[in-house]
Amino acid sequence: AQKVTQAQTEISVVEKEDVTLDCVYETRDTTYYLFWYKQPPSGELVFLIRRNSFDEQNEISGRYSWNFQKSTSSFNFTITASQVVDSAVYFCALSEGDTGTASKLTFGTGTRLQVTL
Amino acid sequence: DAGITQSPRYKITETGRQVTLMCHQTWSHSYMFWYRQDLGHGLRLIYYSAAADITDKGEVPDGYVVSRSKTENFPLTLESATRSQTSVYFCASIGIAGGLGEQYFGPGTRLTVT
Repeated sequence: AQKVTQAQTEISVVEKEDVTLDCVYETRDTTYYLFWYKQPPSGELVFLIRRNSFDEQNEISGRYSWNFQKSTSSFNFTITASQVVDSAVYFCALSEGDTGTASKLTFGTGTRLQVTL
Repeated sequence: DAGITQSPRYKITETGRQVTLMCHQTWSHSYMFWYRQDLGHGLRLIYYSAAADITDKGEVPDGYVVSRSKTENFPLTLESATRSQTSVYFCASIGIAGGLGEQYFGPGTRLTVT
């Protein structure tokens, strides 16, 4: 069975600090997809990134970057120069299967990030 | 506007009552999902549907019933609500074309069972 572990329950940082959110996953499939979602205090779920199991290249989008390492089954998320608006709960998720588009998501328990001035 | 909507957004009901949460999407997406969000558990899949009239259980289906007579609607019914079903419920949809791999989530319904 697939599983996603986000060991960090809560992280507090001061604005402008860099912060890394950890995600470790378990799956028996060779084809799978990994996701990160952001849930701000308003409650909606905001898609951040999708990565398939065959693409281990790191990705950077502005202040966000993701490090995917199959050898350690990790898909970590780094926010550079954090801002107060980054305060949210962040979820890592996994879907198995060769489509990824229609597969069910297994979520981690989330990491609450608090960025203060 | 196109998108995925849920109603009601907030609901308080009593133990034992039947309650239905509605989900509507305008993209004609084939797949739809219901998740519940609880502290310490993240989001867990309740039921999903691959198309109209095709539904299947997720991780935590007990106490819930779904139907999908039309592609755009995917209602979730709690036949006899219990306090343990107090949660935030999210509906999501995804299309199979384009390989987007992204599930679009509704705004959520906060349900309290007293």
